[in-house]
Amino acid sequence: DGGITQSPKYLFRKEGQNVTLSCEQNLNHDAMYWYRQDPGQGLRLIYYSQIVNDFQKGDIAEGYSVSREKKESFPLTVTSAQKNPTAFYLCASSQQGFNQPQHFGDGTRLSIL
Amino acid sequence: AQSVTQLDSQVPVFEEAPVELRCNYSSSVSVYLFWYVQYPNQGLQLLLKYLSGSTLVESINGFEAEFNKSQTSFHLRKPSVHISDTAEYFCAVRDTSGTYKYIFGTGTRLKVLA
Repeated sequence: DGGITQSPKYLFRKEGQNVTLSCEQNLNHDAMYWYRQDPGQGLRLIYYSQIVNDFQKGDIAEGYSVSREKKESFPLTVTSAQKNPTAFYLCASSQQGFNQPQHFGDGTRLSIL
Repeated sequence: AQSVTQLDSQVPVFEEAPVELRCNYSSSVSVYLFWYVQYPNQGLQLLLKYLSGSTLVESINGFEAEFNKSQTSFHLRKPSVHISDTAEYFCAVRDTSGTYKYIFGTGTRLKVLA
């Protein structure tokens, strides 16, 4: 079955440490997205990519970095500069076209040790 | 700028009762509208979408939503809810102005009571 795989499901970060969240899709979608979800705040866009080797900052990109070297993969690195990284992180993808819905992975929950 | 408002953060309702989850949006151009459902510790799943044509759209599990352009609303309804409908529901909008962003509401937590 086609879908989006996020790993790991749970992740713990020590102070001053960078961690990388994995997102892989086999839907052949061009566009991929990273969101952060906090209780009561909905989804906030961190980064998005419309095509390989290109990506744009979303609304809350500070303290995060991404790469898009392959169509299937869009990893997110939470750097030590992100002072409040505890959240649920969701990866999504979509086909090109304004009328296309997003497909989501099952998320990664990041906590601070 | 686009925005999506879900006024109700939580909606408790008894099993087999009807429910309406409200969604209002603001946009100066044509929009595409989506409702997603999220179960605990999972990602979002597409429930239904309005792209064009009939203003009433339905999902396979009994939910429906009506696009009202004059009121800029896309409320989600179900005539009779089940315990299994307990989840968080998100309304999202995407306009045709050129951005690739989807704008999400803050979500409504539906709790179905026995």
